[in-house]
This record gives sequence, C-alpha cells and structure tokens, in this order.
Amino acid sequence: DAGVIQSPRHEVTEMGQEVTLRCKPISGHNSLFWYRQTMMRGLELLIYFNNNVPIDDSGMPEDRFSAKMPNASFSTLKIQPSEPRDSAVYFCASSPLGRGDYEQYFGPGTRLTVT
Amino acid sequence: AQSVTQLDSQVPVFEEAPVELRCNYSSSVSVYLFWYVQYPNQGLQLLLKYLSGSTLVKGINGFEAEFNKSQTSFHLRKPSVHISDTAEYFCAVDGSSNTGKLIFGQGTTLQVKP
Repeated sequence: DAGVIQSPRHEVTEMGQEVTLRCKPISGHNSLFWYRQTMMRGLELLIYFNNNVPIDDSGMPEDRFSAKMPNASFSTLKIQPSEPRDSAVYFCASSPLGRGDYEQYFGPGTRLTVT
Repeated sequence: AQSVTQLDSQVPVFEEAPVELRCNYSSSVSVYLFWYVQYPNQGLQLLLKYLSGSTLVKGINGFEAEFNKSQTSFHLRKPSVHISDTAEYFCAVDGSSNTGKLIFGQGTTLQVKP
C-alpha cells in the first residue's frame, strides 16, 4: 500500500492567490482528516470526513478555507485568498474507522509558504 | 471536553539512558489513547495505542506506555534510547470512539545526545 498521498509536497505562493492541497487516502479507509501544524499553535484539526461527508469543520479558521471530498479516494483543501499567516505544514490522515481500528495514518504533509 | 497535556515541551537525554515522556488526559468517557512520533520533515507515525485490555502497551522501536485510569495518565517510556529516537512525540486521545477524532497534545521534543 502506498500510504496516504499528498500533493504538492511544497507550495510557495503570493498573498491573495488561491491554493489547493490534495490528498489521496489509503484505499478502504472511510475517514479522512485535515490538520495544520505550526510552531505557535501545534497540530490543529481543521476538518474531518466520514464516508465522504464532512462531520466536523469547527477547526476551519475562517471562510477562506474550504474542503471537499467528492469520492472515497480524493480530497482537497482550498485556501482563497491565501494570507501569510496561512503558512504551515498541512497534513492529511485517513483511518479505517468502523473496523475496530482507530489509528490515523498520516501523509507526508504539504509545506505551504505564503509570501 | 477532552484534553491532553504533555507536561514537558523538551526532554534532553543522553544516549543509552532511559526516558519517560509524560502525558495526562481529561475525559468523562472511556478513552482510546495513542502515542505518535514525528521525525523531521515527515508526517506522524503511530508508536503504540491503548484501546482496551492490558494497561501496559508495547509499541515499535522498543517503546512502551502504561495506561493509568486513576491518574488519567499514559506515559511513554523506553529503557535505553538511541540517537535515532530524536524526534517529536505526540500523545493523543479519542474519547468519542465513534468518530475517530483525536485530540493531540502539544508535543514533546526528545533530544538524544551522544
């Protein structure tokens, strides 16, 4: 299994531009989580999906952030417009919730720099 | 509300010495507990987990943790650390077992010195 795949691995963009981060979860996993990691705030859960349905988006910082999961094998996190304070490492994780395994499997992350 | 407190932000230790990384949680319901490790420029990787059963849990790379319900703790231990154990360690709790949502602590940086 290839694990959770995230793209791009690095993104540098200018303030005001739209940024789209992509995630492919592990096949067969039915839960997907988006996290943001910064030195100041640590690891924050932004949103998570069960069976492609958003369950809790209370961690999404503001309306500039949106996430979709059109099918079981793909999710996107979009920031529009981006701001320098959005600079962080964004992780996607998936979990086979429902099979008695509550472990989350993390992708390698996308390092976003907004100048 | 659930929360996780990792009592030490940094733990320096010499190679081959024992180490304990402390984690306390608060939850009003039964919990699942996890320790993850993050090496530089990588994602998080599961070290071990407690779901039920024996309170002493063994994980990868020689790590183990003990679930103590009365003290609401889940401390991570290793009897002899290696340079390669230098990383950030995160404790996490899932107190709502139907959702899979984890609450993470702030992390502890383990610095192993030669």
